[in-house]
Amino acid sequence: DGGITQSPKYLFRKEGQNVTLSCEQNLNHDAMYWYRQDPGQGLRLIYYSQIVNDFQKGDIAEGYSVSREKKESFPLTVTSAQKNPTAFYLCASSYQPHSTDTQYFGPGTRLTVL
Amino acid sequence: QKEVEQDPGPLSVPEGAIVSLNCTYSNSAFQYFMWYRQYSRKGPELLMYTYSSGNKEDGRFTAQVDKSSKYISLFIRDSQPSDSATYLCAMTGGSSASKIIFGSGTRLSIRP
Repeated sequence: DGGITQSPKYLFRKEGQNVTLSCEQNLNHDAMYWYRQDPGQGLRLIYYSQIVNDFQKGDIAEGYSVSREKKESFPLTVTSAQKNPTAFYLCASSYQPHSTDTQYFGPGTRLTVL
Repeated sequence: QKEVEQDPGPLSVPEGAIVSLNCTYSNSAFQYFMWYRQYSRKGPELLMYTYSSGNKEDGRFTAQVDKSSKYISLFIRDSQPSDSATYLCAMTGGSSASKIIFGSGTRLSIRP
């Protein structure tokens, strides 16, 4: 059963804490992406990775960090430097690292700061 | 001005109606156009993918692109309650440096 999984589904964070969101895919895709979705706004790109051990900042990378040690995994850490982290976070992957290639999305993680 | 504008709705129509969802954009370099459907608290799923101008039909769904007007549409015929979701338009230029730009989404509700 191929696809993208994200965990946890819901995450609560206290002010000043770092939290890590998991994203795993078994589609054998080279490229992976992290987006943030806020009400009334389109998906905004946080980070993307075109290949293992390489990643690039997106439009809103400040306060976030990622790693890509394995092809299947692209975890996102929301650091205490992110001032407004409450949002719905979506991970996606595509077969090739090109914008014309279809991106497949995971089910998302809803992060709430208490 | 946003690169992609999409009316957030909500749009409520009776079952069986024809639905028209639209986006406008400002970047003439966009060549690839997509529509994603997103159910509540779920990730988006690709519904339609078109290149350049013209129409593309898939079952009850038709995607239309008018590059001269920088306007894209998604039509849903014989709408069903299961079509109730948020619809996101997305587009990209296709160059190696391009990113996908998403609209903010239109929330659609089909009344039984």
